[in-house]
Amino acid sequence: DSGVTQTPKHLITATGQRVTLRCSPRSGDLSVYWYQQSLDQGLQFLIQYYNGEERAKGNILERFSAQQFPDLHSELNLSSLELGDSALYFCASSVVGAGDTQYFGPGTRLTVL
Amino acid sequence: AQSVTQLDSQVPVFEEAPVELRCNYSSSVSVYLFWYVQYPNQGLQLLLKYLSGSTLVKGINGFEAEFNKSQTSFHLRKPSVHISDTAEYFCAVSDIRSQGNLIFGKGTKLSVKP
Repeated sequence: DSGVTQTPKHLITATGQRVTLRCSPRSGDLSVYWYQQSLDQGLQFLIQYYNGEERAKGNILERFSAQQFPDLHSELNLSSLELGDSALYFCASSVVGAGDTQYFGPGTRLTVL
Repeated sequence: AQSVTQLDSQVPVFEEAPVELRCNYSSSVSVYLFWYVQYPNQGLQLLLKYLSGSTLVKGINGFEAEFNKSQTSFHLRKPSVHISDTAEYFCAVSDIRSQGNLIFGKGTKLSVKP
C-alpha cells in the first residue's frame, strides 16, 4: 500500500460526458502528479500541483483540467469524453519535486463507450 | 526534451536465471533516473533511483542498476529471478531542474517461467 488513494477504481461512461477522478496523496506529501496510461501512448505525464498551485503541465488536453485543494487532495476533470480517453489514470504524490520518490495510487480505469 | 527507450518490449526468462532489462535515455540536460515495477492490476512501485554519486544503485527485491553517462544507459539487473518478479518494468527520467515530472519508457514485460 503506497498511501495514495484514488477513487473511483473503475468508471464507465459514454462519449460526451464529464467525469471527475479523485486522489488523496500520502500524508505529508505536497506534490501531486497525474499520469495517463494507455496501450498506444504508454505512460504520459499530464499535470502536477504543488501545495495548491499548478507547477508543470505535460500532454494534457484542453478538455482536461485539474486542481489541488487546501487539504491537498486533487481532482482531475475530464470533459467531452471521447473513446480515445479510455485509459488508466494514475495519481502520484511526492514530498516536493525533482528527485523525490513518487508514490503511485492504484489508478482509476476509465472506459468510454 | 527527454526521451526513454526500453529496448525490449518482452523478456522471457527461466526461474533462477539472471536478467538484464535495458534502458537508454536521451537528454540535453542532467537527469535523475528511475526504475518502477507494475504488477498486474496495480499501481507503480519504485525499485530504485539514481540521483548522484555511485553509479551502481541497489534497490528493492534484489534489483540493481548501473548508470553509464557515456552510453546514456541505466540498465536494470537481477542475478537470479523468481516467479514473483513477473511484472512490467518501466524506466523513467526526470530533468533535475524540473518539478519532478517523469518521462517513461514504453515498458518491458518480464515473464519468469518455472
